[in-house]
Amino acid sequence: AQTVTQSQPEMSVQEAETVTLSCTYDTSESDYYLFWYKQPPSRQMILVIRQEAYKQQNATENRFSVNFQKAAKSFSLKISDSQLGDAAMYFCAYRSFLINAGNMLTFGGGTRLMVKP
Amino acid sequence: SAVISQKPSRDICQRGTSLTIQCQVDSQVTMMFWYRQQPGQSLTLIATANQGSEATYESGFVIDKFPISRPNLTFSTLTVSNMSPEDSSIYLCSVEMGPFGEQFFGPGTRLTVL
Repeated sequence: AQTVTQSQPEMSVQEAETVTLSCTYDTSESDYYLFWYKQPPSRQMILVIRQEAYKQQNATENRFSVNFQKAAKSFSLKISDSQLGDAAMYFCAYRSFLINAGNMLTFGGGTRLMVKP
Repeated sequence: SAVISQKPSRDICQRGTSLTIQCQVDSQVTMMFWYRQQPGQSLTLIATANQGSEATYESGFVIDKFPISRPNLTFSTLTVSNMSPEDSSIYLCSVEMGPFGEQFFGPGTRLTVL
């Protein structure tokens, strides 16, 4: 079974600065999807960014980008120009490419990001 | 993406009772999922609900405790039966949309069992 680990329970960043959240995963599969989700205090889970494992290019969505290191099984999220609204729990998630895997997402334990004004 | 609503948004219940949570999507989807998020924790998948078939439960979750209905492609319910304080959690439904397996989540139902 796949496991997803987020080693930083909490992180803080100064407004307008850059922060990187870490995620590692364990899998024997060669094709899969990786996601970062944001959960603000309002608790609505929001998809931030997606990475397909068969793509070498790192995904980017505005101020959010990832550093995907397939060999190292690492998938970190970089938030540039941090804003107060970025304060939230961030979850890394893995989805198998295999049809018989059930389409489930496996989540990491989460990282609470605090943004200081 | 999809617009997903859940009812109720929160509830406080007495132990031994049952609560049914509704999840409504604004478009037809094949796969819907129910997750539990215990206080301060990550999300744990309870079951996958496909229309026209029985729900598939993850290890540690059973149909008698968490019966699920999926009557059509836009709606599902999760019942938390014979509740105890340990069932106090946020319950979230999600749907899978798009070619890359993205899941989109409802706003969650915060359940407190006294």
